[in-house]
Amino acid sequence: DSGVTQTPKHLITATGQRVTLRCSPRSGDLSVYWYQQSLDQGLQFLIQYYNGEERAKGNILERFSAQQFPDLHSELNLSSLELGDSALYFCASSAQATSGFTDTQYFGPGTRLTVL
Amino acid sequence: TQLLEQSPQFLSIQEGENLTVYCNSSSVFSSLQWYRQEPGEGPVLLVTVVTGGEVKKLKRLTFQFGDARKDSSLHITAAQPGDTGLYLCAVRRGSGGGADGLTFGKGTHLIIQP
Repeated sequence: DSGVTQTPKHLITATGQRVTLRCSPRSGDLSVYWYQQSLDQGLQFLIQYYNGEERAKGNILERFSAQQFPDLHSELNLSSLELGDSALYFCASSAQATSGFTDTQYFGPGTRLTVL
Repeated sequence: TQLLEQSPQFLSIQEGENLTVYCNSSSVFSSLQWYRQEPGEGPVLLVTVVTGGEVKKLKRLTFQFGDARKDSSLHITAAQPGDTGLYLCAVRRGSGGGADGLTFGKGTHLIIQP
């Protein structure tokens, strides 16, 4: 158990819909990262938040957005869903804003999103 | 073009055999990490290598960082069914104090048959 929790574990929805994925980081961790894992693209970094502020953006679509709340939990919002958005979405947390050699990212169990 | 190329993509061997998987790039990295991911779970960090030529051992797993810090290998001795999983290599996206999401290779799917 990494200490990172993600809800829901599974989510099935239709094209055009909007969903929200939730992540609670490990106790004391200030950084939250979101990743998408699909069969064709592999595991890809989407976005990072540190203590409520956006720190880095990766391959995140404009239809996707995220935020980190004062209690440090984070939500990833996916809108106007397409079939190709079906994937595993992972949240990871780390203690620091910058992942130095000793700053480990701990991954949650993921949310499996299926868009029909 | 993938920043990190992992090979082989799939590997299925018998329990007790040895194996090596590779992570290659044309870029130089300050550090490189290896993760293992089991079905239904998130990746778990196995090791971070930092110095060119560095060798780290984790029980039956031996990790090596290339001298030029462009590639890495993972060798498993006497593989066990519990070693089954997806092995991913990853590097930090940014340099210095900037962006710090990780860039992953596509991984090696390893199956150890009893």
